[in-house]
Amino acid sequence: AQTVTQSQPEMSVQEAETVTLSCTYDTSESNYYLFWYKQPPSRQMILVIRQEAYKQQNATENRFSVNFQKAAKSFSLKISDSQLGDTAMYFCAFMKPPHRGGSEKLVFGKGTKLTVNP
Amino acid sequence: ETGVTQTPRHLVMGMTNKKSLKCEQHLGHNAMYWYKQSAKKPLELMFVYNFKEQTENNSVPSRFSPECPNSSHLFLHLHTLQPEDSALYLCASSQVSSTGNTIYFGEGSWLTVV
Repeated sequence: AQTVTQSQPEMSVQEAETVTLSCTYDTSESNYYLFWYKQPPSRQMILVIRQEAYKQQNATENRFSVNFQKAAKSFSLKISDSQLGDTAMYFCAFMKPPHRGGSEKLVFGKGTKLTVNP
Repeated sequence: ETGVTQTPRHLVMGMTNKKSLKCEQHLGHNAMYWYKQSAKKPLELMFVYNFKEQTENNSVPSRFSPECPNSSHLFLHLHTLQPEDSALYLCASSQVSSTGNTIYFGEGSWLTVV
């Protein structure tokens, strides 16, 4: 079974600075997908960024980028130029492609609570 | 604005009540999910429906009963719940394919069992 570990329960950063959230995972699969989701106080789970394991290039989305190290099974999220609106819980998640007729299932870490301070 | 809408957003019910959570997705997806989010625990997958057929029941107690009448709607019927069932229930949807598509979530329904 796959597991996802986020070792930082809480982090804080000053506005406009850069912060990196850590995530490691365990799997025997060779093809899979990794995600970072953000859950602000409104509680909606919002997709931040997605990475396909077969792609060597790290995914980026505006101020958000990942450092994907497949051999180390590490998938960290870097937030540049942090904004107050980035304050949220951040969840790392793993998905393996569905088997024929199956469904996609996400396995989540326990989350990192990020606070951006003014 | 989200493509996955959940109602009600907040629900308080007694242990002997029967209530339902509703989810509707406007994204044209073919799979829908119920997740449970409790304090200090990772999100737990409860049920998966693929093309209206239940493909996953993650050992959920029978006091939770899902229903998926079509690909756009998903219900979670609740009866004789326990206080430990109090949690945020998140509905989600995706377009299932061989390439592992992204799962999109609703805003959740806060359930309190008293």
